[in-house]
Amino acid sequence: QKEVEQDPGPLSVPEGAIVSLNCTYSNSAFQYFMWYRQYSRKGPELLMYTYSSGNKEDGRFTAQVDKSSKYISLFIRDSQPSDSATYLCAMSLNSGGYQKVTFGTGTKLQVIP
Amino acid sequence: DSGVTQTPKHLITATGQRVTLRCSPRSGDLSVYWYQQSLDQGLQFLIQYYNGEERAKGNILERFSAQQFPDLHSELNLSSLELGDSALYFCASSPSLITGGYGYTFGSGTRLTVV
Repeated sequence: QKEVEQDPGPLSVPEGAIVSLNCTYSNSAFQYFMWYRQYSRKGPELLMYTYSSGNKEDGRFTAQVDKSSKYISLFIRDSQPSDSATYLCAMSLNSGGYQKVTFGTGTKLQVIP
Repeated sequence: DSGVTQTPKHLITATGQRVTLRCSPRSGDLSVYWYQQSLDQGLQFLIQYYNGEERAKGNILERFSAQQFPDLHSELNLSSLELGDSALYFCASSPSLITGGYGYTFGSGTRLTVV
């Protein structure tokens, strides 16, 4: 079993829809929970992060962490064609003086105009 | 432009050959990370350097090696290449060893094709 599981999609939604992207994990020691966006032929870029359980909002994006269920989500409101990309969740913990980051495999999202 | 520069962008080479991928981290970042991304495995951590020293190893094959130079740029050497080594190789950088939730800054990657 992988430490971080993410549905690869693809997920196809009409413009303006609310998108829900999710990851589950098995290691309860993870402390930071991040979402990266990766456009085709580009490197991942950090969208937002949360520490511990709870919600965090940034514009049209909301990140949610439920540590009791080992489940994290990213919601995108009023989705735009420019949101079409692969979204990777990532989780980190401090281990032996360095930070171990584990990425999900990514969910490919297509927003159709 | 993320500030992390990777060269070359594309590389096509034959099985058994050796290649070197180069990464210049974002200005001020001391930590460099190498990742391999393939369709079925996602982003796999290979190795991390901090201020010239190796600090962490992931799923890096013995045929692969890396180093970070005094000017902080890093090189990833891949030898005895096999078809299965075809993938995107990303370099990322961060200011320190522990970044909390601030994550890493990734370059645009090197697409390696082994034929």
